[in-house]
Amino acid sequence: DTGVSQNPRHKITKRGQNVTFRCDPISEHNRLYWYRQTLGQGPEFLTYFQNEAQLEKSRLLSDRFSAERPKGSFSTLEIQRTEQGDSAMYLCASSLGADNGNEQYFGPGTRLTVT
Amino acid sequence: GDSVTQMEGPVTLSEEAFLTINCTYTATGYPSLFWYVQYPGEGLQLLLKATKADDKGSNKGFEATYRKETTSFHLEKGSVQVSDSAVYFCALSIGRGSTLGRLYFGRGTQLTVWP
Repeated sequence: DTGVSQNPRHKITKRGQNVTFRCDPISEHNRLYWYRQTLGQGPEFLTYFQNEAQLEKSRLLSDRFSAERPKGSFSTLEIQRTEQGDSAMYLCASSLGADNGNEQYFGPGTRLTVT
Repeated sequence: GDSVTQMEGPVTLSEEAFLTINCTYTATGYPSLFWYVQYPGEGLQLLLKATKADDKGSNKGFEATYRKETTSFHLEKGSVQVSDSAVYFCALSIGRGSTLGRLYFGRGTQLTVWP
């Protein structure tokens, strides 16, 4: 399978704990995006990377959130001191950028539940 | 700001009925427009796209035409099937070439098709 993969698929954590999610993009894609989706809403942009450079961050990305893509391949999204409002589906997508008209291909998501 | 507005759902149709899901956009630049579909229990899949005015995107019997004069990108299908039951998201991306970045999504429209 050469699609976008995300791990874990589900995470249940207690308020105040830290969590980390991983995304492995399609191998030749240089861009990697993180989005958050809550029930009944469309995905909301969090941040994106071109290779290892983080090019844009949303105002939604508070200082408790940090994302990395150290070697320009996989990426991690960490949430520190989780809050109940962080409960959502976290989606990762990758693209070739301008080379394919910014078609973004999404992974299955990581569902976070904060109790 | 840049945004997408989709018609409210849910939409319920009988098999072989004609489908229209309305999508309008507000954009500060030159948007590319997309429709994504999310089948039950699955991730977001790109359905079709259009990158400039008057382009028509098509896939799996679905079509949408990029109308700059009405800032619209309505999704249509002539004869829906039960297997088309899903949530449909309209999205846009601003810029050209290296300035392409995040996707802005609508809230999604739930479609249910009955046999």
